[in-house]
Amino acid sequence: ILNVEQSPQSLHVQEGDSTNFTCSFPSSNFYALHWYRWETAKSPEALFVMTLNGDEKKKGRISATLNTKEGYSYLYIKGSQPEDSATYLCAHTSGTYKYIFGTGTRLKVLA
Amino acid sequence: DTGVSQNPRHKITKRGQNVTFRCDPISEHNRLYWYRQTLGQGPEFLTYFQNEAQLEKSRLLSDRFSAERPKGSFSTLEIQRTEQGDSAMYLCASSVSTLAPEQYFGPGTRLTVT
Repeated sequence: ILNVEQSPQSLHVQEGDSTNFTCSFPSSNFYALHWYRWETAKSPEALFVMTLNGDEKKKGRISATLNTKEGYSYLYIKGSQPEDSATYLCAHTSGTYKYIFGTGTRLKVLA
Repeated sequence: DTGVSQNPRHKITKRGQNVTFRCDPISEHNRLYWYRQTLGQGPEFLTYFQNEAQLEKSRLLSDRFSAERPKGSFSTLEIQRTEQGDSAMYLCASSVSTLAPEQYFGPGTRLTVT
């Protein structure tokens, strides 16, 4: 059974702090890793789709890296703002339609 | 708004009652997925449709659960004889039919069974 894990489970940071979370997954049968941001009462919003080992993607203050050989991805947020407060989910796919999600990292940014 | 929509957003029901949820996907998407998220867990795959055909059902989907997608447009998920363990967030997503497509999610229906 494919196991996708995220750490930490939850995180409180002060406004302006930079932070990062980890998503780990089995390195075999890898096709893509998706990162989503899920704010309360809203739809999960796609942040990044990462496919190649060594991929680095950036969207504003948020960036992500991928290491498929060792089976992990990092998500970084620079200068956290209260509006970054959300649950961040990663999802692994091995080349089919099926996503295997991690348990998420719940981020709270304190003003 | 042309995203994925779900109704209702919240449902409180008593144990033993039947409930039905609806998902309206993005109109040009022919794939539709249902997921369930329980407290402390990530979303777990329940079932998937390609147009009106239900192509896979997870073993999480007991006989009390049924999903349909008539005419390949909106989908419904029905739970019969609800149990407290059915309390969860039910998420719907849709996508195009490419290899490992990006899935677009709705806001979910939160079910509470009392």
